[in-house]
This record gives sequence, C-alpha cells and structure tokens, in this order.
Amino acid sequence: DAGVIQSPRHEVTEMGQEVTLRCKPISGHDYLFWYRQTMMRGLELLIYFNNNVPIDDSGMPEDRFSAKMPNASFSTLKIQPSEPRDSAVYFCASSFWGLGYTFGSGTRLTVV
Amino acid sequence: AQTVTQSQPEMSVQEAETVTLSCTYDTSESDYYLFWYKQPPSRQMILVIRQEAYKQQNATENRFSVNFQKAAKSFSLKISDSQLGDAAMYFCAYKGSGNTPLVFGKGTRLSVIA
Repeated sequence: DAGVIQSPRHEVTEMGQEVTLRCKPISGHDYLFWYRQTMMRGLELLIYFNNNVPIDDSGMPEDRFSAKMPNASFSTLKIQPSEPRDSAVYFCASSFWGLGYTFGSGTRLTVV
Repeated sequence: AQTVTQSQPEMSVQEAETVTLSCTYDTSESDYYLFWYKQPPSRQMILVIRQEAYKQQNATENRFSVNFQKAAKSFSLKISDSQLGDAAMYFCAYKGSGNTPLVFGKGTRLSVIA
C-alpha cells in the first residue's frame, strides 16, 4: 500500500481564494482524520470521519472550513475564502478501529 | 477534555548520549493509550513507541524506551545512544478508549550535537 496520499504537497494562494486539500486514505481503514499544525497551536484535530460519516467537527475553526468524505477512498478539506491566518500544514491520517494511525505527508498551505 | 503537556519546547543532546523528553497528560479514564511520534524535517509523522495504560511494563523499541507513571500521569521518552538522525520534533499523544481521536502535545524540538 502506498500509504496515506495527500495532495498538493504545497499550496500558495491569495487571500480570498478557495483552497481544496485532498486525501486518499489507506484501503480498509475506517477512520479518517484531518489535523492542522502551526507553531503556536501544535497539532489540532479539525474533523474526523468513521465509515465516511463525520463524527466530530468541533475543531473546525470557522464556517469557512468544510470537509467531505464522499467515499471510503477520498476526502477533501475546503477553505473558502482563505485568509493568511489559515497558513499551516494540514495533515490527513487514517486508521483501522481508531488505532494505528498512518499520516500523510501533509499539505503546506500559504495564504498571501 | 484530555490535555497533553510537553514542558520542554527545545532540547539538545550530544551524539551517543542519552536524553529524556517529558510529557504529562490529564485524563479521568483508566483505559487509554499513549504514543510518541517523531517528525523529522521531511514533515512525515513517524510512530516511535506506544504504551497501553493497562500494561505496567514500560514499552521499549531498540534505543527508545518510556517511563510510564500512571498515577502521576507522566509518560517520558528516553533516547539512548543518540544519533544525528534522531534530530526532529517529538510529539507525545494520548488516545482514550473507544473511538476518541489522538490528542497531541505541542512538541519538543530535539537537536543532536555531533
């Protein structure tokens, strides 16, 4: 298995633009997590899914953030409109039965 | 909510020496899991070691070992015979029982001096 695949690896966008981050989890994993990493706040959980259903989105900072998981092999995290304070590294991770997390390589987002 | 605290933002160690990274956590649960992750400059999150709370024996993985003190809610990581490749950010993480997600500390940046 190729592991958790995230795209793009880097994204630079202008304030106000829509940004879409993508994640392909490991086949057979039933949990998918989106985390955000910043220097100030460390790794924060944004949202997680179980069997494609959102379980807890209380970490999503604002209505500008949305996440979907239309099927077991794909998830997106969208920011619309983007702001400079959204600049961070966004990680996707998947697991089976909530243990044994495998992380993707992350997307470094820069909003200018 | 559970919290994880890493009180050392930065640490340094001489090559071949031993270093201990500290982690404390807050929980009311009796059954949970604790982890240490390594994040090198490549950004990849790599699992270093895992401890189940019900196990009294401290986990060990080669040069990496933990000191798990359940009553004190402490979970430190000891790296023996430090190598240049150990230089990275280290994150302590907690996972409760059931379907709760990982909660991370803010990390400790470890430098290894040749």
